[in-house]
Amino acid sequence: QSALTQPPSASGSPGQSVTISCTGTNSDVGAYDYVSWYQQHPGKAPKLMIYEVNKRPSGVPDRFSGSKFGNTASLTVSGLQTEDEADYYCSSYAGTSVVFGGGTKLSVL
Amino acid sequence: EVQLVESGGGLVQPGGSLRLSCAASGFTLSGYAMHWVRQAPGKGLVWVSRINSGGTTTNYADSVKGRFTISRDVAENMLYLQMNSLRAEDTAVYYCVRGRGAAWYYDFWGQGTLVTVSS
Repeated sequence: QSALTQPPSASGSPGQSVTISCTGTNSDVGAYDYVSWYQQHPGKAPKLMIYEVNKRPSGVPDRFSGSKFGNTASLTVSGLQTEDEADYYCSSYAGTSVVFGGGTKLSVL
Repeated sequence: EVQLVESGGGLVQPGGSLRLSCAASGFTLSGYAMHWVRQAPGKGLVWVSRINSGGTTTNYADSVKGRFTISRDVAENMLYLQMNSLRAEDTAVYYCVRGRGAAWYYDFWGQGTLVTVSS
């Protein structure tokens, strides 16, 4: 149950695009198309942004997209807005557990 | 409207016990798997435990196996986490979350309850 690997930080200017990576193993990210992404603002509970690699829940802007290749999943935020500044966590189903990434702090400069 | 409201957190000494509760509304627990996820201060999210929609299967992270027990009361629509033999490293905000599908993703989160293990 080792954590997935995310870069600790990412940044971009308003209107730009940024991609956050999430690397796992053949036992989690690589084994299932069951990667999710969560957004967390300071002092708030996380919010689901992407599930099953590339599906968006109702209400999540289409500026948010997900993909996966092998053991690495990615979250892309296009047309960055100031309200996108937050921590982002990936997670993956791993058989009989869930493993999260360490989180990436996205700064919108 | 789906709501999850946790309670029961607080300060406890190492080796002590605590029971967290989560009141669910807007849906019935019998239709969904439920999980607990925790977050140590300033740290990332960590999965703790799951109970399936039928209440017949439970799963635990290795770090809490044998010490924590997840359960539910369908009649009261309540989810619980009994935590025994608590350690300093269990200090965290504990979130009650609703699980979805085979992917075990979380569409609704509670506001969290803080557990502090310290002497």
